[in-house]
Amino acid sequence: GQQVMQIPQYQHVQEGEDFTTYCNSSTTLSNIQWYKQRPGGHPVFLIQLVKSGEVKKQKRLTFQFGEAKKNSSLHITATQTTDVGTYFCAGPYGGSQGNLIFGKGTKLSVKP
Amino acid sequence: GAGVSQSPSNKVTEKGKDVELRCDPISGHTALYWYRQSLGQGLEFLIYFQGNSAPDKSGLPSDRFSAERTGGSVSTLTIQRTQQEDSAVYLCASSLRGARGYTEAFFGQGTRLTVV
Repeated sequence: GQQVMQIPQYQHVQEGEDFTTYCNSSTTLSNIQWYKQRPGGHPVFLIQLVKSGEVKKQKRLTFQFGEAKKNSSLHITATQTTDVGTYFCAGPYGGSQGNLIFGKGTKLSVKP
Repeated sequence: GAGVSQSPSNKVTEKGKDVELRCDPISGHTALYWYRQSLGQGLEFLIYFQGNSAPDKSGLPSDRFSAERTGGSVSTLTIQRTQQEDSAVYLCASSLRGARGYTEAFFGQGTRLTVV
């Protein structure tokens, strides 16, 4: 079954509002990755978090990795229409090298 | 090539026919992943290849699905006796090392499969 839970499934916001998506793993992760998929496109890597409690920023995007390395969040400040898409978290599971398993994603729509 | 290449980009097939989907990963990438994405849904893991290790086939939904990776490079996903529920976009990704190796995955554009 799905080992990476992601909420919410959908989020509709007015342009300028903030947005947050949360990711929870059933097991401790060595690292977690975030991807964005634009409508009609393929997933594109955004960032990777490795350290417990790590916080990374990319312009209006803030990524956090929990202290226990079992949860993560992505926060977008003052959304813009260009932020539209589905945001996925992904982590390594199984095997020595680690398969990459994705959460179900959060689909963000932004109303201008 | 510069990126992950998948072919064909679109495939329409009749129910019961076999199909082969191809993935050319980035040169030098040891890890290769196949995912399936139904309309508006998430990425369903299918199979994972890492170097010369035995592939992780735990995500294959039935014995109609199989995949191979020749020479550690090109991979082919085969679906036998296709069913309508197989209709989806099939995405291939590659990375320099496995996910525990702290490397990002690069995705191809996908193959949109429609079973009629």
